Amino acid sequence: DVKVTQSSRYLVKRTGEKVFLECVQDMDHENMFWYRQDPGLGLRLIYFSYDVKMKEKGDIPEGYSVSREKKERFSLILESASTNQTSMYLCASSLSQGASYEQYFGPGTRLTVT
Amino acid sequence: GENVEQHPSTLSVQEGDSAVIKCTYSDSASNYFPWYKQELGKRPQLIIDIRSNVGEKKDQRIAVTLNKTAKHFSLHITETQPEDSAVYFCAASRDSSASKIIFGSGTRLSIRP
Repeated sequence: DVKVTQSSRYLVKRTGEKVFLECVQDMDHENMFWYRQDPGLGLRLIYFSYDVKMKEKGDIPEGYSVSREKKERFSLILESASTNQTSMYLCASSLSQGASYEQYFGPGTRLTVT
Repeated sequence: GENVEQHPSTLSVQEGDSAVIKCTYSDSASNYFPWYKQELGKRPQLIIDIRSNVGEKKDQRIAVTLNKTAKHFSLHITETQPEDSAVYFCAASRDSSASKIIFGSGTRLSIRP
C-alpha cells in the first residue's frame, strides 16, 4: 500500500518567513509533485521532479522552490511567505513506467500566512 | 498554454439518478485521461482512467468516454449513492514518463436523498 506523508497537516506562518514543506513516499516512485489547491481553481502544479536532483517548473512556480536530494523526499520551500500563498498544499508521487500513471496524494498541508 | 476545462462546477442529483461531468482539453498530444475523486477532508484518489486508444471504459457504476476528435471526455456515474458525494477532477497528460498532468477545476457533486 502506497504511503505518501507530509510533515504537517496545519501550519501558520508570518509574512516574510521561510517555510519548508516536506513530503515522503515509501514506494520507490520516480516522480513527485507539489500542487496547491484553492476553491474553484482545482489542483495547480507548482513543481515536479522525475528523478533525484531533477526538477521542472509547473504552472505556478513563482515564489516557490523545491529540493529533491533523495528519491523518497521532495521538499517545497517558500523563500519569503506572503499572504497570497495561504492555501492547501498537496504532494503526490507516481511511477514513471508501467500500466498506470496514477498519482498517489499525501494528506495535504493547510498553510496560513498572516 | 495547456488547459483542461471542466463543467459543471457544481452538480446536485437525486439518489439513484445519473450524473455526468464533462471536460475538454487543449493539448492535442494528450493521450492519458484520469479522473480523481476527493471526499471532504480527504486526499484525491484515482477512480478511473482512459487512454486515447480506447473510446470508452467502464468500472461498475462509473464509465468514462473519450472523443479525441472533439478533444473532450466525460465521466458518467449511474445509480448514484450518498457515498458518491465528493469533488471530482478530470485531468489530461501526454503519455510519457516525466509528463505533468493538467487538472480541471473540479466538480462538486452532491447526492440528494
